[in-house]
Amino acid sequence: AQSVTQLDSQVPVFEEAPVELRCNYSSSVSVYLFWYVQYPNQGLQLLLKYLSGSTLVKGINGFEAEFNKSQTSFHLRKPSVHISDTAEYFCALRGSASKIIFGSGTRLSIRP
Amino acid sequence: DGGITQSPKYLFRKEGQNVTLSCEQNLNHDAMYWYRQDPGQGLRLIYYSQIVNDFQKGDIAEGYSVSREKKESFPLTVTSAQKNPTAFYLCACQGGDRVHNEQFFGPGTRLTVL
Repeated sequence: AQSVTQLDSQVPVFEEAPVELRCNYSSSVSVYLFWYVQYPNQGLQLLLKYLSGSTLVKGINGFEAEFNKSQTSFHLRKPSVHISDTAEYFCALRGSASKIIFGSGTRLSIRP
Repeated sequence: DGGITQSPKYLFRKEGQNVTLSCEQNLNHDAMYWYRQDPGQGLRLIYYSQIVNDFQKGDIAEGYSVSREKKESFPLTVTSAQKNPTAFYLCACQGGDRVHNEQFFGPGTRLTVL
């Protein structure tokens, strides 16, 4: 069975501080990994995705994520956050089926 | 402007009533999906359709029904059999390579049962 675990339900950080949102996955087959962002009362928007190749993936809004196969992790990072980054972030994976499995989400709150 | 839309944005329903949520896309994508979102639980798949006139149950299909008569449209009906329908509902679509490509999401419909 495949699963995605987001280890933190909420992450508070100060503006301009770095942030890391953690994501671990479980799968017996090769996976494709995604990070989505959801602003309040809106749909999800893709931040970045890992399909193959370089393990460091850069996305929109200054975010990046690193795929670590040995640790089965795909953590999302940003070196300096802004108030506008306040949102909920979802890690997701797709295995061989067409369905995507989502984590439970991490709510990022930015303090001025 | 290509995209995926959902209507209405807010919907109120009395207990015992069926309601239909609309989802339309003009991205020419074959696959469409319905998710339910509850606080702290992430997204759960209700139904999905990979091609017109065909759809499959997701993880929480009980109390819901769908149709896919047109490529552009994938309406979701929340029936009176759904015990706890109050939630945020998201529709998504996906085109091309379904393994490598991401899903595109609509803005969502918030359903409240009174």
